[in-house]
Amino acid sequence: GAVVSQHPSWVICKSGTSVKIECRSLDFQATTMFWYRQFPKQSLMLMATSNEGSKATYEQGVEKDKFLINHASLTLSTLTVTSAHPEDSSFYICSATTSSADTQYFGPGTRLTVL
Amino acid sequence: SQQGEEDPQALSIQEGENATMNCSYKTSINNLQWYRQNSGRGLVHLILIRSNEREKHSGRLRVTLDTSKKSSSLLITASRAADTASYFCATENSGYALNFGKGTSLLVTP
Repeated sequence: GAVVSQHPSWVICKSGTSVKIECRSLDFQATTMFWYRQFPKQSLMLMATSNEGSKATYEQGVEKDKFLINHASLTLSTLTVTSAHPEDSSFYICSATTSSADTQYFGPGTRLTVL
Repeated sequence: SQQGEEDPQALSIQEGENATMNCSYKTSINNLQWYRQNSGRGLVHLILIRSNEREKHSGRLRVTLDTSKKSSSLLITASRAADTASYFCATENSGYALNFGKGTSLLVTP
């Protein structure tokens, strides 16, 4: 149980385009989802926290107009990287949790490469 | 904000040996968790230790927590080549958000 999927697993796009990444909780309803980014050989940095049906809370330094997060249902959250640039190239990982869980369940990650 | 700091940053051992990784943090926590990440992959949750616990075991894993020193250690006994991965500690203080450390890269050679 507690499986989280991400789609796509990798994406290559041109500079200036927008890319949408999906995060789904497959066998449970996630009241809260988190988005992290990870640069090579570095740790995970929390980008934002999203609760179903409400606006995401962004961490300091993360541009909310650049990284649009939508948590429209209890099983789906999306991260859209708008007008992507090469510096946005990174590994994006989502996680999901419930109000009764004491841990987060992580997706397999999405590798974004912006040319 | 990132508050966990692991050491060592990199560790190389032979199969059968024990691997010990340490994690220090700065503020009070509800719990501390350890995760494993294989290269370019997602995170695998290993173990969670609550702030009122001092030691926890899971298979070949042993985790200790010293809240007075704000530190934790992860011991992997009888290591295997398949244990090669990066290991991260993560602290939770409130609101479920996790703060990850920089990680320890473990290499286990046959």
